[in-house]
Amino acid sequence: AQSVTQLDSHVSVSEGTPVLLRCNYSSSYSPSLFWYVQHPNKGLQLLLKYTSAATLVKGINGFEAEFKKSETSFHLTKPSAHMSDAAEYFCVVSVRGSQGNLIFGKGTKLSVKP
Amino acid sequence: EAGVAQSPRYKIIEKRQSVAFWCNPISGHATLYWYQQILGQGPKLLIQFQNNGVVDDSQLPKDRFSAERLKGVDSTLKIQPAKLEDSAVYLCASSLELRSEQFFGPGTRLTVL
Repeated sequence: AQSVTQLDSHVSVSEGTPVLLRCNYSSSYSPSLFWYVQHPNKGLQLLLKYTSAATLVKGINGFEAEFKKSETSFHLTKPSAHMSDAAEYFCVVSVRGSQGNLIFGKGTKLSVKP
Repeated sequence: EAGVAQSPRYKIIEKRQSVAFWCNPISGHATLYWYQQILGQGPKLLIQFQNNGVVDDSQLPKDRFSAERLKGVDSTLKIQPAKLEDSAVYLCASSLELRSEQFFGPGTRLTVL
């Protein structure tokens, strides 16, 4: 069965410093992986996705993630945090053979200090 | 382009009462999803429709939850009777077709007292 584990429930950074949100996945095959962001009182928005093409995936708002099969990781990074990045971030895996069903991690809340 | 619409945005009910949520997907999207997001957890899929047919409802508690998508457009999710543990945000999402990107609505926050 596929699953994802987000290693930090809460990450706090200062504005202008790098962001690292960690995610490990469990899968017996090469999965499709996603990062979604959820701002308060707003819908989930897709940041980026990995679907077995390039291992370094670039997303919106300067975020990127690297698929590392040897480490079963898909960490989300951004070189310089902005106040508007404060939100909840979810690492997600697509269920193999499904009709697009997604399995979400528990989420990491990112706080950005001025 | 209009996004996924949901109503109401907030609902407070007593346990054992019934409640219904409504979702209007993005125009032209064939696939519609309902998720339950309990506080502190990621969303969990409850049911998935392709047009007006159910594709997956394996995690829907069918003794109290029901959903329909008449005419393959709008959808309603109903809980009857509600329990305290049903307190959560109910998210609706739609996609153009199976396995394509899902677009999420703002959700309905349900509180069961």
